[in-house]
Amino acid sequence: DTAVSQTPKYLVTQMGNDKSIKCEQNLGHDTMYWYKQDSKKFLKIMFSYNNKELIINETVPNRFSPKSPDKAHLNLHINSLELGDSAVYFCASSQDSQGPQHFGDGTRLSIL
Amino acid sequence: AQSVTQPDIHITVSEGASLELRCNYSYGATPYLFWYVQSPGQGLQLLLKYFSGDTLVQGIKGFEAEFKRSQSSFNLRKPSVHWSDAAEYFCLSSGTYKYIFGTGTRLKVLA
Repeated sequence: DTAVSQTPKYLVTQMGNDKSIKCEQNLGHDTMYWYKQDSKKFLKIMFSYNNKELIINETVPNRFSPKSPDKAHLNLHINSLELGDSAVYFCASSQDSQGPQHFGDGTRLSIL
Repeated sequence: AQSVTQPDIHITVSEGASLELRCNYSYGATPYLFWYVQSPGQGLQLLLKYFSGDTLVQGIKGFEAEFKRSQSSFNLRKPSVHWSDAAEYFCLSSGTYKYIFGTGTRLKVLA
């Protein structure tokens, strides 16, 4: 059983489109995260939710909007995609906001 | 401001040799510290964590790390590297709603 699963694994789309990435965890964790990993492998947190409430909202363009329908899900919607959005996006979860994080396998987003 | 530095971008070792990957953190209090490994095309796997207590922590795959407050360091070690250890290694510092990754160290293992 996959602990943190993201879909899709690959996403290729054109500039200006709107897309969503879904994330689900079956670990019973309270906290979920979205990270962006750029082409140089640098990982930066974007958002974090604890019990469906937004607790971290880093300096991210407002074209990015997270949504947490329940504790087990944290989706990422991106409007008006730009070339600079090309990256690997990782979802993660942890028992609480300080605990070790479990990562999904990532979604590789490529903007044409 | 909280920061994490991994001074070595690339490290190459021979199989069977010992390994030490460096991580230095900057934080007002003692952060929670983690080491993760990322194989190509994969997500990040937790190797070990430090919260408090014993400053030498054991992890999976034969890795260990030592927290040294005086040096603000949390270096990762392995006594004998295997070819399958070739990957990217990341140090993570976690404070109150702050999560900072180091820039990573790419490990290459020579047969």
